Amino acid sequence: EAQVTQNPRYLITVTGKKLTVTCSQNMNHEYMSWYRQDPGLGLRQIYYSMNVEVTDKGDVPEGYKVSRKEKRNFPLILESPSPNQTSLYFCASSLRYQETQYFGPGTRLLVL
Amino acid sequence: GENVEQHPSTLSVQEGDSAVIKCTYSDSASNYFPWYKQELGKGPQLIIDIRSNVGEKKDQRIAVTLNKTAKHFSLHITETQPEDSAVYFCAASRSNTGKLIFGQGTTLQVKP
Repeated sequence: EAQVTQNPRYLITVTGKKLTVTCSQNMNHEYMSWYRQDPGLGLRQIYYSMNVEVTDKGDVPEGYKVSRKEKRNFPLILESPSPNQTSLYFCASSLRYQETQYFGPGTRLLVL
Repeated sequence: GENVEQHPSTLSVQEGDSAVIKCTYSDSASNYFPWYKQELGKGPQLIIDIRSNVGEKKDQRIAVTLNKTAKHFSLHITETQPEDSAVYFCAASRSNTGKLIFGQGTTLQVKP
C-alpha cells in the first residue's frame, strides 16, 4: 500500500531532551516536507526537500533540523525541545514539487 | 513574507446547500493553488488544485476559481453532504522555491 508513515504517533517529552520523529514514504517521491499544525494557524511548513540533494527551510524552521540521506526517509530532529514546540506534526511527500502531496497520519508532540 | 488569508474560519450549511471558501494570497508570482480536506484525526488530503494558467476547474461537486488580478481563489462545493464536514485548507506556492503556504483553515459543518 502506497503511504507515508510517521513514528511515533504520540510523544510526551521534557524540555531539552533530544528527539527524532521519523518519516518514510514508499512511493519513490522526490519531494518531502514537514509541517506543524496549531489551532488558528493552519499548517506551517518547517522544512522541505526537493530531492535527496536539496533541503531548505520553510516558514518556521527555528529549533528543528532535518536530514535526507536517502530518498524514502526524511526525519525531523528536535535537538533541544521547548514547550512552544508542542504541536501536531505532519510529514508529506509528492512525486515532484507542486504536485499532490500525500500526508502521513501525524505525530502529536507534548513538551513539558 | 508570503501570506495566504482564508475565510471564513467556520461555515455551517444545510445538507444540499452550497458552500464557498475564499482565499487571498500575497505573492503575485504564486502559480499553484491546491485545496486540502482534513477529516478528524487524519492528515490532509488533496481534493482539487488549480494552476495559474487556468481560471476555473471542476471535479463533480467541487470547483475552484482563480482570479490572478485580485490574487484571490475560491473553493465551491455544491449539493453538500454530511460527509463533506471537515476542515478545508487552501494553499499557494510559486515555482522553484519548494515552499507551500497554507491558509488558516475553514471548519465546514454540513447539517443533515
